[in-house]
Amino acid sequence: AQTVTQSQPEMSVQEAETVTLSCTYDTSESDYYLFWYKQPPSRQMILVIRQEAYKQQNATENRFSVNFQKAAKSFSLKISDSQLGDAAMYFCAYRIPDDKIIFGKGTRLHILP
Amino acid sequence: EAGVAQSPRYKIIEKRQSVAFWCNPISGHATLYWYQQILGQGPKLLIQFQNNGVVDDSQLPKDRFSAERLKGVDSTLKIQPAKLEDSAVYLCASSFSWTRDGTDTQYFGPGTRLTVL
Repeated sequence: AQTVTQSQPEMSVQEAETVTLSCTYDTSESDYYLFWYKQPPSRQMILVIRQEAYKQQNATENRFSVNFQKAAKSFSLKISDSQLGDAAMYFCAYRIPDDKIIFGKGTRLHILP
Repeated sequence: EAGVAQSPRYKIIEKRQSVAFWCNPISGHATLYWYQQILGQGPKLLIQFQNNGVVDDSQLPKDRFSAERLKGVDSTLKIQPAKLEDSAVYLCASSFSWTRDGTDTQYFGPGTRLTVL
């Protein structure tokens, strides 16, 4: 069974600093997709970034970038120049074609002013 | 563009009572999802609709949960009777279409927080 593990329940970072959130996953599939979602206190989940497993190049979206290590089954999220609005729960997620998204348990990120 | 609407935002009921949640997806979105998010966990898909047909309900506890999307637009999720372990946030999401390669973006509503006493 596919699983997604986020080993850091909570993290804190100083405003304007860089933080990396960890995620590992377990799968026997070769074709799959990985995601990071943000859930602020409003509870509305927002897609932050998406990575296709067949792409070697790491995805980037403005201040958000990933470090995708396929062999290690690792998919970490780096947030540069952290802002107060980045404070939220962050969920790593995985999906194979034709199937549902599987979410990790989340990492709560605190931004310290 | 209006987002995904859900109501109510909060609901408190006694165990063995019934409850219903409503979701109105983004206009034009064919695919609708209901997720259950228990405290301290990530969302878990309960049911996925494509228009008014069910695509995946493999994780829906069908003895007590039901969902419908009769006209292919808004949807209701019902729990009857509720158990203590049903306490969770119920999230609705929609996407323009469902793609096998994961390129469809799901837009989430604010959720309904259910407390079963």
